[in-house]
Amino acid sequence: SQELEQSPQSLIVQEGKNLTINCTSSKTLYGLYWYKQKYGEGLIFLMMLQKGGEEKSHEKITAKLDEKKQQSSLHITASQPSHAGIYLCGADTWGTDKLIFGTGTRLQVFP
Amino acid sequence: EPEVTQTPSHQVTQMGQEVILRCVPISNHLYFYWYRQILGQKVEFLVSFYNNEISEKSEIFDDQFSVERPDGSNFTLKIRSTKLEDSAMYFCASTREGHDTQYFGPGTRLTVL
Repeated sequence: SQELEQSPQSLIVQEGKNLTINCTSSKTLYGLYWYKQKYGEGLIFLMMLQKGGEEKSHEKITAKLDEKKQQSSLHITASQPSHAGIYLCGADTWGTDKLIFGTGTRLQVFP
Repeated sequence: EPEVTQTPSHQVTQMGQEVILRCVPISNHLYFYWYRQILGQKVEFLVSFYNNEISEKSEIFDDQFSVERPDGSNFTLKIRSTKLEDSAMYFCASTREGHDTQYFGPGTRLTVL
């Protein structure tokens, strides 16, 4: 069965610093989805990547998907306290649209 | 901006009782999902629903679980006889078409005592 591994599990950065979160799949993906979750709350959609080599940006967040469609990274530039939360990668594969999720990366940003 | 809504936000029940969790998906969406997240664990798929029938279900989704779209707006998850291990956050999601972005509701926290 497909597994998604995220790293690191936890990240504490100073405000203004850049950071990267990685997501690796055991199988080739159909689509890769990044979500943000605040503790005890719902998942907020950030970005979707479906093409190998694709890169998308929104405000200070950039997500990339490798050519083989098995690895994705989420990069935050000049982090702010509002970026704090749990970042989840989710993915679907050919033949099913159910999402499998990674374990999440907990991000804390201190002033 | 349209969003998925869920009620109640928190449900406390006794073991063995039936619960119904309610969701209102985004109005022009056709595919509906339930996921759950046990505290400290991954978000897990339970079931997908399209064209008034289950498309796919996980091993978790046994005979104690059922889903229904009783009218044009609501999508419900029923747990017939709750167990302690059903305590979790339950998320509803919807999308316009398969393999498209799934939009999640805020969740219902179910506590089984």
